[in-house]
Amino acid sequence: DIVMTQSPDSLTVSLGERATINCKSSQTVLHSSNNKNCLAWYQQKPGQPPKLLIYWASTRESGVPDRFSGSGSGTDFTLTISSLQAEDVAVYYCQQYCSSPDTFGQGTKLEIK
Amino acid sequence: QVQLQESGPGLVKPSQTLSLTCTVSGGSISSGSHYWSWIRQPAGKGLEWIGRMYSSGSTNYNPSLKSRVTISVDTSKNQFSLKVSSVTAADTAVYYCARDGPLCWFDPWGQGTLVTVSS
Repeated sequence: DIVMTQSPDSLTVSLGERATINCKSSQTVLHSSNNKNCLAWYQQKPGQPPKLLIYWASTRESGVPDRFSGSGSGTDFTLTISSLQAEDVAVYYCQQYCSSPDTFGQGTKLEIK
Repeated sequence: QVQLQESGPGLVKPSQTLSLTCTVSGGSISSGSHYWSWIRQPAGKGLEWIGRMYSSGSTNYNPSLKSRVTISVDTSKNQFSLKVSSVTAADTAVYYCARDGPLCWFDPWGQGTLVTVSS
């Protein structure tokens, strides 16, 4: 199985400041068939299902604010929120979909300072 | 717009079989380009992919649960189902159904249903 490890486990950021969440995979998730990274980011608020934010490591889902961006390749990835808003308080998960079983990071809890 | 909704008993006794159904609306479950997955999340913990049903009717399960899991489809009702046998307290979780596909992320997700294993 590909193990996904996120850091930090929790993060406290002031409103308007940048938040950065890291995700590292135990094997590359760069797929040879299309040279794309099989890496998605989700946002989960309490009592809600995860919401897709980013796929192919850096493609923003339709309707997701442009303050959310994804970057990285191979085994190291980053989700950046450029200017934190109150509604961004949530747990964020990365997920690889290159190889079965699909696996998720343990989650990063983002709070307001 | 495709929507998914989980349903089933919220309480299951230890050693019994957990059974859930996911009803798909706004699109056909028989669509050749999509797969249909189950994912679970114990309270306060992370996400675990359980398994998926391919459009061909074949299945793929997480090896960690494979011996206890069965996913099936009822195309006439546009539903797919999950069974987990010999449950223990460790199977207590919110269970989600979701759509994915070949080399594809999970989207959309159902709202989730809490299943508690307790006598």
